Amino acid sequence: QVQLVQSGAEVKKPGASVKVSCKASGYTFTSYDINWVRQATGQGLEWMGWMNPNSGNTGYAQKFQGRVTMTRNTSISTAYMELSSLRSEDTAVYYCARMSGPNWFDPWGQGTLVTVSS
Amino acid sequence: QSALTQPPSASGSPGQSVTISCTGTSSDVGGYNYVSWYQQHPGKAPKLMIYEVSKRPSGVPDRFSGSKSGNTASLTVSGLQAEDEADYYCSSYAGSNNFDVVFGGGTKLTVL
Repeated sequence: QVQLVQSGAEVKKPGASVKVSCKASGYTFTSYDINWVRQATGQGLEWMGWMNPNSGNTGYAQKFQGRVTMTRNTSISTAYMELSSLRSEDTAVYYCARMSGPNWFDPWGQGTLVTVSS
Repeated sequence: QSALTQPPSASGSPGQSVTISCTGTSSDVGGYNYVSWYQQHPGKAPKLMIYEVSKRPSGVPDRFSGSKSGNTASLTVSGLQAEDEADYYCSSYAGSNNFDVVFGGGTKLTVL
């Protein structure tokens, strides 16, 4: 079945960087964009950006421009999201999701909790 | 691009129907038939429930239906069941020149 499996929880200090992975299986990895969405505790969904695994092209939400980098390794069907200059407000669950149509995401990864604390 | 507007909460008794609205503009909800809805249970990842305004992915019960009128899309849950209690988020396409994705603020559905 189509599945996205993310890396485990991370604890980082302010100013550090975090890199979250998202391994795809059950479909051709290069055929669908991967998007990243985060959710702070008790808050709504916040879109961060997209990456085309075939070309490597990316697009980031303005809020994260300069701090986020989305990459991939097609040989292992894995997408990555790296967020730098972390601050406490970046504490959230980070999800990867396959964009299966012009604007819908299916499936989603299980989420990765990133905690930023000194 | 502004977030879509959803009511923060909705509720209904088992067996009843409840409708959740999602209001945007003519540049997103009103301009395209690409509204999607997600269900999220506590501690779980969101799950696609509706796409292209009214289409259901395989495995989603037909108790869930979607519609749109003007700049407002709606998700209706009929025959409410306890397991429908969750947060629901809408999202809309906003054109090929705008790759940004926006979600509604979410609606907490409570089954009384």
